[in-house]
Amino acid sequence: GEDVEQSLFLSVREGDSSVINCTYTDSSSTYLYWYKQEPGAGLQLLTYIFSNMDMKQDQRLTVLLNKKDKHLSLRIADTQTGDSAIYFCAVAPGNTGKLIFGQGTTLQVKP
Amino acid sequence: SAVISQKPSRDICQRGTSLTIQCQVDSQVTMMFWYRQQPGQSLTLIATANQGSEATYESGFVIDKFPISRPNLTFSTLTVSNMSPEDSSIYLCSVEEASARRRDTQYFGPGTRLTVL
Repeated sequence: GEDVEQSLFLSVREGDSSVINCTYTDSSSTYLYWYKQEPGAGLQLLTYIFSNMDMKQDQRLTVLLNKKDKHLSLRIADTQTGDSAIYFCAVAPGNTGKLIFGQGTTLQVKP
Repeated sequence: SAVISQKPSRDICQRGTSLTIQCQVDSQVTMMFWYRQQPGQSLTLIATANQGSEATYESGFVIDKFPISRPNLTFSTLTVSNMSPEDSSIYLCSVEEASARRRDTQYFGPGTRLTVL
């Protein structure tokens, strides 16, 4: 079945850039997503990228997609303590609307 | 994007009982989904809630354990039946926005945190 893998933990200092990586096995998703989950909260859609794009920038967020290697990354510039959360990448195989999530990367931002 | 609310936000239940979780959306949506997030885990799709027909369940989830209703395009319920401590999770509903700009994009409710004793 479809598989989405993420590293579990990343720690950075405030003001540094954070890069969260994700690999996936299915290549049929039209869109690939990044969600953010703060402690005790639901999921917030951060950004998404269309599968025929290589890069998408949205303020402090940059998404890079390497379709050949099936690798997705999320870069957060000038990381703030408020960015501390769990970040999930997700794909929608077969464009059925069903999302397959990675395990989530816990981002810790140290002041 | 659609505004999604869930009730209750959290509950503590005794084993063997059932809990019904409500999901309300402020606009009509075509697709609604229910996910489970077990402690420290990622999200797993339980089922797609179909308006006017039976829900479509994923492998490992059955209607007797997780009955779902979707009477209209803005509301759905998920019942967790005959609960056991293993059902302790966060249950989230999501909706898919099918607008031309953001097709196939899902937005999530705040979740219902369930603890079964």
